[in-house]
Amino acid sequence: SQQGEEDPQALSIQEGENATMNCSYKTSINNLQWYRQNSGRGLVHLILIRSNEREKHSGRLRVTLDTSKKSSSLLITASRAADTASYFCATDGILRNFNKFYFGSGTKLNVKP
Amino acid sequence: EPEVTQTPSHQVTQMGQEVILRCVPISNHLYFYWYRQILGQKVEFLVSFYNNEISEKSEIFDDQFSVERPDGSNFTLKIRSTKLEDSAMYFCASSVLVHEQYFGPGTRLTVT
Repeated sequence: SQQGEEDPQALSIQEGENATMNCSYKTSINNLQWYRQNSGRGLVHLILIRSNEREKHSGRLRVTLDTSKKSSSLLITASRAADTASYFCATDGILRNFNKFYFGSGTKLNVKP
Repeated sequence: EPEVTQTPSHQVTQMGQEVILRCVPISNHLYFYWYRQILGQKVEFLVSFYNNEISEKSEIFDDQFSVERPDGSNFTLKIRSTKLEDSAMYFCASSVLVHEQYFGPGTRLTVT
């Protein structure tokens, strides 16, 4: 299976602290993406990192990718209560130039005010 | 900012009934997808669609499922005879040539 798997499964921190979530996958990828999902809601695209990139920033988000270890991390700096959500990594599986994404089980982040 | 929309937000149906879930992808996107998420489980790929035909489907997408792009804007998922285990959140997504898939807010399907 090519699925990404996140760890930890759950993370609880205080507002203002940094949150780090990790994702591991099994086969070669072209892209890895991180999504956020608030409870019972849709998936919000956070950031895409390509296989030839090692690090990417977007606001308070920092994503790294280590293709040799087949792993990625998502760092949220200076967390806020509104960051409370589940975070998923999704890896692609190219077939005839069309992508389907493989999602992991997610990390449930709880930011306490 | 353009977004994928889905209707209805919640659909309750009886086992054996047909349901149609609707999606309006982002207007300049060419690739369309359906995913589902059973409560507490992973998001699973169902099907991708391009140029008016299915390009890939998963083992979940059996003969009970079908997709259609009936006009220039809508993309639908039909489940012919719903089962209890079809209860899930169904997400539509769309993309351009690059790999970022934009997801809709989902339709929660409850089969009783």
